[in-house]
Amino acid sequence: ETGVTQTPRHLVMGMTNKKSLKCEQHLGHNAMYWYKQSAKKPLELMFVYNFKEQTENNSVPSRFSPECPNSSHLFLHLHTLQPEDSALYLCASSLYRLVSYEQYFGPGTRLTVT
Amino acid sequence: TQLLEQSPQFLSIQEGENLTVYCNSSSVFSSLQWYRQEPGEGPVLLVTVVTGGEVKKLKRLTFQFGDARKDSSLHITAAQPGDTGLYLCAGARNTGNQFYFGTGTSLTVIP
Repeated sequence: ETGVTQTPRHLVMGMTNKKSLKCEQHLGHNAMYWYKQSAKKPLELMFVYNFKEQTENNSVPSRFSPECPNSSHLFLHLHTLQPEDSALYLCASSLYRLVSYEQYFGPGTRLTVT
Repeated sequence: TQLLEQSPQFLSIQEGENLTVYCNSSSVFSSLQWYRQEPGEGPVLLVTVVTGGEVKKLKRLTFQFGDARKDSSLHITAAQPGDTGLYLCAGARNTGNQFYFGTGTSLTVIP
């Protein structure tokens, strides 16, 4: 596969469940990102990893826990979520963590919290 | 208050019509990007503009960055059903290393 892939594409979970979202990029990039896209709201940058190190956490609640085991893989572990966390979660990557480098987005995971 | 305001929020037009969507802010940006996001997919970068007053053309799409680098527009000529999607603008400020996204314009082109 090429580009940025995300699994699962759809996820329904209860508030007490634990689940994980997976992102994989086949572009040789060094920076990876998690975004949240909710209806009628701008894309919200959640976490940034640069060369496997977390460099940014934009005040994200601790019920979201990212993990980046290597430059190609990014996970978002979910625990005790709230209904308002229902959204499209997008992963992206870029060659370097600089705005001058294009970000490539995956197709997203549509999360519904019941 | 959103940093970037996009208008209109929704737009439905007939195939062959022209349209313009806007991205406005009171802040100055060092660069501004436009993305298109099709249903079930992530955003795909269309263009980056960096110079005030800059105009870029991509086939039937024309992008303009305002002289003061606070706003931008996207004009589509002779819209086609394949242009349907969510158009997002994103601006990078002079400080920091992050793009701020608008809420998007959802375009539907009816055959």
